[in-house]
Amino acid sequence: DADVTQTPRNRITKTGKRIMLECSQTKGHDRMYWYRQDPGLGLQLIYYSFDVKDINKGEISDGYSVSRQAQAKFSLSLESAIPNQTALYFCATSDLQDSLNEQFFGPGTRLTVL
Amino acid sequence: AQTVTQSQPEMSVQEAETVTLSCTYDTSENNYYLFWYKQPPSRQMILVIRQEAYKQQNATENRFSVNFQKAAKSFSLKISDSQLGDTAMYFCAFMKGLSGGSNYKLTFGKGTLLTVNP
Repeated sequence: DADVTQTPRNRITKTGKRIMLECSQTKGHDRMYWYRQDPGLGLQLIYYSFDVKDINKGEISDGYSVSRQAQAKFSLSLESAIPNQTALYFCATSDLQDSLNEQFFGPGTRLTVL
Repeated sequence: AQTVTQSQPEMSVQEAETVTLSCTYDTSENNYYLFWYKQPPSRQMILVIRQEAYKQQNATENRFSVNFQKAAKSFSLKISDSQLGDTAMYFCAFMKGLSGGSNYKLTFGKGTLLTVNP
């Protein structure tokens, strides 16, 4: 079984709808991240969390919110989706004890906003 | 702010041959880490290789090796004996090494699409 899972894998929605993307991990890692990937670009950091009580904005947090429900779960919400939020979204985790902070990625969620 | 530049949007190579992907970065930091990630058509992001800036020896992982030139701020990836399964987008990434375990932020390049031809 995958260590980092994301649901849904694909989603099509309409402008103005509220959308939640979910991420779960069985790696026991403290740190979790949400990234966005647009065509022709690398990944950009949306939000990150170092533990359940710690939430931080990344480079492109506008229009997004997150919830860290438990150590293993980190959700990303689009309160009112807009077409330019159409992208591939990745969740990642890393281990606080790893000085290199290697990040392990989920399979991604492809979101299309019409 | 750190920037990562991959100057080759696309490359192709024949199976069994060797190919080198370029990456340059800009930083004023002395302590940092560099990574190459592979993204095949399945979309999964897979770590290929990593390099700590304080290590002079170039990292190697089986057919994958890097040429790390710290003064030139260059971090190229060499793939030897290319295989069809190496076809993927390859991303170079940079991470500052911050004290207290607070290093976290990966800065990615735009990627190089590598196609391995039979």
